[in-house]
Amino acid sequence: AQSVSQHNHHVILSEAASLELGCNYSYGGTVNLFWYVQYPGQHLQLLLKYFSGDPLVKGIKGFEAEFIKSKFSFNLRKPSVQWSDTAEYFCAVNAGVYNQGGKLIFGQGTELSVKP
Amino acid sequence: EAQVTQNPRYLITVTGKKLTVTCSQNMNHEYMSWYRQDPGLGLRQIYYSMNVEVTDKGDVPEGYKVSRKEKRNFPLILESPSPNQTSLYFCASSHLRTGRKDTQYFGPGTRLTVL
Repeated sequence: AQSVSQHNHHVILSEAASLELGCNYSYGGTVNLFWYVQYPGQHLQLLLKYFSGDPLVKGIKGFEAEFIKSKFSFNLRKPSVQWSDTAEYFCAVNAGVYNQGGKLIFGQGTELSVKP
Repeated sequence: EAQVTQNPRYLITVTGKKLTVTCSQNMNHEYMSWYRQDPGLGLRQIYYSMNVEVTDKGDVPEGYKVSRKEKRNFPLILESPSPNQTSLYFCASSHLRTGRKDTQYFGPGTRLTVL
């Protein structure tokens, strides 16, 4: 069965520190990959996505992610975090040609706390 | 403004009392889906619909029903809610015309507590 694993459940950083959140998926075929962010009390918002082409994708708010096919990974990065980045981050995969109509498979989420 | 709306946003109810959570989108999306979010489990799909009158089970459909009589609406029905359905629920929608490459847009969430 397809699955997505996020390595860190809770990450605590100081402002200006660099961020890398790990995401690995299990599926051998073509995948679409997403990172969503959920700010406290709000709904999920798309940070960035990878469909094809350049494996280094840039998203909103200075985030980027790199797709490494050989490692089945799609790690999220930001060079310098801000207090306003405090949120929960979800990695998601949309895999397969007939994947039950486009179901997203989510990781468990990583809660990021940024100290001012 | 393109959006997915859900109502109610918060609901406290008792075991066995039927309830409906509405979901509506104004983007003419074919695909709609319900997820539940639980701590440590991420989001899991409950049901989805690929178009009007076409619905199917996701990963955790037990205890839920859905209907898709109109393209824009996709209500989630709990006929007899139980405490293990206490969760945060999200509706999502996307186009299907270009296959699986479309981004899903999420509603604001409905926090349900079943006592």
